[in-house]
Amino acid sequence: AQKVTQAQTEISVVEKEDVTLDCVYETRDTTYYLFWYKQPPSGELVFLIRRNSFDEQNEISGRYSWNFQKSTSSFNFTITASQVVDSAVYFCALSELAGGTSYGKLTFGQGTILTVHP
Amino acid sequence: NAGVTQTPKFQVLKTGQSMTLQCAQDMNHEYMSWYRQDPGMGLRLIHYSVGAGITDQGEVPNGYNVSRSTTEDFPLRLLSAAPSQTSVYFCASSYLPGGYEQYFGPGTRLTVT
Repeated sequence: AQKVTQAQTEISVVEKEDVTLDCVYETRDTTYYLFWYKQPPSGELVFLIRRNSFDEQNEISGRYSWNFQKSTSSFNFTITASQVVDSAVYFCALSELAGGTSYGKLTFGQGTILTVHP
Repeated sequence: NAGVTQTPKFQVLKTGQSMTLQCAQDMNHEYMSWYRQDPGMGLRLIHYSVGAGITDQGEVPNGYNVSRSTTEDFPLRLLSAAPSQTSVYFCASSYLPGGYEQYFGPGTRLTVT
């Protein structure tokens, strides 16, 4: 069975600090997909990134970067120079390929509440 | 494009009442799913559908029914509401199951008293 663990329940930083959100996953499949979603205080879920298991290249998008390491089953998310608008709940999620009993469902971690203080 | 829409946004039910949460998408997506979000537990899959006429159970299906008569609509029925079903419910859709981005609706906050 697939599992995602976000060990950091809450993180509090001051604006302009860098912050890393950890994500560790478990899966028996060799082909899988990892996601990060953001849930701002307004409540909607905003897609941030998707990474497939064959692409270990790190990705940077503005102040956001993602570090995927298959050797440690981790997919960590770093926000550089954090801003108050980054305050949200961040979810890491895992999806296996559709097939068998999996049907490509998303399994979410528990979420990390990030608060950025001015 | 409306994307994924959900109604109602808020609902209060008494224990034992039934109701249907509506979900619709206009992206011609085959895969649709329902999640519930509870504090500290992330989102958990209730039911999903891989196309019209095909549905199956997720992680926490008890107390909920679904059907999928069209590609666009995927309603979630609470048969006899219980306080344990107090939660925020999200509907999602994607082009296909597996590694495709899932688009989420705005959510329905349900309270059962």
